[in-house]
Amino acid sequence: EVQLLDSGGGSVQPGGSLRLSCVASGFALSSYASSWVRQAPGKGLEWVSGISGSGDTTSYADSVKGRFTISRDIPKNTLFLQMNSLRTEDTAVYYCAKALYGGMDDWGQGTLVTVSS
Amino acid sequence: QSALTQPRSVSGSPGQSVTISCTGTSSDVGDYNFVSWYQQHPGKAPKLMIYDVTRRPSGVPDRFSGSKSGDTASLTISGLQADDEADYYCCSYAGSYTWVFGGGTKLTVL
Repeated sequence: EVQLLDSGGGSVQPGGSLRLSCVASGFALSSYASSWVRQAPGKGLEWVSGISGSGDTTSYADSVKGRFTISRDIPKNTLFLQMNSLRTEDTAVYYCAKALYGGMDDWGQGTLVTVSS
Repeated sequence: QSALTQPRSVSGSPGQSVTISCTGTSSDVGDYNFVSWYQQHPGKAPKLMIYDVTRRPSGVPDRFSGSKSGDTASLTISGLQADDEADYYCCSYAGSYTWVFGGGTKLTVL
């Protein structure tokens, strides 16, 4: 059974940093692309970042480019999102997802990031 | 990276059918047969309902169907049930491991 367990959210001041983690089980991260998707309070889903199964391609939404970094620890089958220079508009629930080109078929439960002074 | 365009809300009575549209561009919906649809109930993670424009994951009822024409994709839900009331999001692959979501549509079952 595929499971994604995301964690690492919390409260941080503007300009601060957080590192989100997503432990995958039931499949190998190295065999599939992965994505981070966020949802601000009362708002819709926003794709944030993606990484190919091989890890040689990473991508970012314009809203986070240069501030966020996606990475993986393959032996630990864990996906990360390093978030720096956080802004109030980054406040959201962040989900990790197993990504096929045609759809994201498994999702974590979400972790809440609150950026506030 | 502009969001795909969805109606903010749709509604229907139990047993009826509703269709939700999702309009993108020639760089996303129009360029790839990689459109997906997600159902999200309040406080829950999104659930994949349709992938690759028309395919249903195991366990999703065949009341849910997808289609695409040009830059616009559509999700049709037939035989509406109370539990179908939720937010629905479309998503398209846009190349180089990037994706774009629609703004979401709130489905109300009257």
